[in-house]
Amino acid sequence: QIVLTQSPAIMSASPGEKVTITCSASSSVSYMHWFQQKPGTSPKLWIYSTSNLASGVPARFSGSGSGTSYSLTISRMEAEDAATYYCQQRTNYPWTFGGGTKLEIK
Amino acid sequence: QVQLQQSGAELMKPGASMKISCKASGYTFSSYWIEWVKQRPGHGLEWIGDLLPGSGNSNYNEKFKGKATLTADTSSNTAYMQLSSLTSEDSAVYYCARDDGYFDVWGAGTTVTVSS
Repeated sequence: QIVLTQSPAIMSASPGEKVTITCSASSSVSYMHWFQQKPGTSPKLWIYSTSNLASGVPARFSGSGSGTSYSLTISRMEAEDAATYYCQQRTNYPWTFGGGTKLEIK
Repeated sequence: QVQLQQSGAELMKPGASMKISCKASGYTFSSYWIEWVKQRPGHGLEWIGDLLPGSGNSNYNEKFKGKATLTADTSSNTAYMQLSSLTSEDSAVYYCARDDGYFDVWGAGTTVTVSS
């Protein structure tokens, strides 16, 4: 199966700071999807097919990458962005998720 | 609007079996794969398997073969996941999600606690 490795596992950022979360795949994938999850709630689709923002996602978020290397970037961190972010590949079964990146606000 | 409504939390005894439901509304149920995901604290998200209600076709993560069985009832727009021979390792939150090329809509989750 394709293993997705996210880094960092935990990070904190100040308001206004640029944030980058990376997701490395053990084999090449066609696209990467990203989910945001806040405590006590279900994951929400955040970025789909590598670079498309889901409905309602602020424009300060962006996604990029190809092959085995993908990233999610927040241009300017805001308090509401504090959450855990997961990458996911849906290229080859079994679908797999990264281990998650917990993003905290400083 | 598209919604997935999951059944409520369950407290189960070790060795028992149980079935979680996921009722869909707001779209053509038979045409979209339903995905099932497990989440335990400290273990992130694990994909269990998926099923296309219109055909009954399914795929499973090898890890969950023999543990989870996916079915669907198109007359009630409801997907089901049966979990068998429950152990403490099955205590988790289970989510269903619609798959439109990506998991675009998620249920609220069903918390399963296995305890004697």
